[in-house]
Amino acid sequence: EAGVTQFPSHSVIEKGQTVTLRCDPISGHDNLYWYRRVMGKEIKFLLHFVKESKQDESGMPNNRFLAERTGGTYSTLKVQPAELEDSGVYFCASSPGASGSDTQYFGPGTRLTVL
Amino acid sequence: GQNIDQPTEMTATEGAIVQINCTYQTSGFNGLFWYQQHAGEAPTFLSYNVLDGLEEKGRFSSFLSRSKGYSYLLLKELQMKDSASYLCAVGVSGGYQKVTFGTGTKLQVIP
Repeated sequence: EAGVTQFPSHSVIEKGQTVTLRCDPISGHDNLYWYRRVMGKEIKFLLHFVKESKQDESGMPNNRFLAERTGGTYSTLKVQPAELEDSGVYFCASSPGASGSDTQYFGPGTRLTVL
Repeated sequence: GQNIDQPTEMTATEGAIVQINCTYQTSGFNGLFWYQQHAGEAPTFLSYNVLDGLEEKGRFSSFLSRSKGYSYLLLKELQMKDSASYLCAVGVSGGYQKVTFGTGTKLQVIP
């Protein structure tokens, strides 16, 4: 079974540019999560999809971030325009259900550097 | 909100035993996860505790005390490949599993 995949693995852009990150969850997983780790800090929750619906986007930093999951399969996270403080590693995770013991499986992350 | 504390770094010797502690304060606690993360890689699930007590999985064990807001991850027979960051994460109920991570403990295993 293929794991969670993310694209690209690295992205270097200039301040003010736009970047779109992609996450392909494990097939059949309804739940998809985005997290971010800024250097030296903990991994922080950004938002959660159940299928194509946003269940919780309380962790999104501001309106420069837009996440979509059309069709309930893969998800994209767009940052527009990017700022220096957006640099970090963006992780995607998926899980099959919504029970209390539902383990989240993480992708390898996208390392975003904003210059 | 949630507050999770764990040591920043630890060093242990190959073949030894190491215990990584985690304390947390949270509302709506719904379980505690431990993840392993090698540099540049994805966090990998190790264990999940929802009830008090010790869960053993091979060389790794995880303990939880809900009343004390305390957990530990125990690694036995340490191997060099165990050098990694170990992330304590709390699951919070709310109709789904919302997970909050600690900053992680970077474990270095030395010969």
